[in-house]
Amino acid sequence: AQTVTQSQPEMSVQEAETVTLSCTYDTSESDYYLFWYKQPPSRQMILVIRQEAYKQQNATENRFSVNFQKAAKSFSLKISDSQLGDAAMYFCAYRSFPNTGNQFYFGTGTSLTVIP
Amino acid sequence: NAGVTQTPKFRVLKTGQSMTLLCAQDMNHEYMYWYRQDPGMGLRLIHYSVGEGTTAKGEVPDGYNVSRLKKQNFLLGLESAAPSQTSVYFCASSSPSRASYEQYFGPGTRLTVT
Repeated sequence: AQTVTQSQPEMSVQEAETVTLSCTYDTSESDYYLFWYKQPPSRQMILVIRQEAYKQQNATENRFSVNFQKAAKSFSLKISDSQLGDAAMYFCAYRSFPNTGNQFYFGTGTSLTVIP
Repeated sequence: NAGVTQTPKFRVLKTGQSMTLLCAQDMNHEYMYWYRQDPGMGLRLIHYSVGEGTTAKGEVPDGYNVSRLKKQNFLLGLESAAPSQTSVYFCASSSPSRASYEQYFGPGTRLTVT
């Protein structure tokens, strides 16, 4: 079974600085997707970024970018120019392709604090 | 376009009472899911559905039942609530298409069982 591991339960960053959140996963499949979700205090789960395993180029979305290392099964999220609104719980997730529809695999989350 | 909606947003139950949580999505997604989120535990899958009329168990199905009579709705039932079911419940939906492969989440329902 696939597993997703986030080894940093808590992280902090100074406002305007850069922080990297780590995620590793275990799979024997070759085609899959990886996601980072943000959960602010409002509880709403918001998709931050996604990465297709067949794409070698790392995904970027404004201040958010990933470092996808397929061989190492690593998928880290870099947040540049951190803002107070980035404070949230961040979840890494995995989904194989194709998929019979059942499961996404989530990590246990990293709580990010942004220090003014 | 409302995305994924959940009803109710908050609920307090006494032990032994029953209730149904309603999830609705307007994105025509085939797949729908129910999760519970507890502190330090991340998201745990309760039940899921790959299409109208079909459901399947996830990681923590005991004490819950589900139904998907219509493609856009996915109901989660608690027949006899227990304090251990105090949690935040999330509904999500997704598509098998690469273009929309991520999960879309509802706003969550905070349930307290006393």
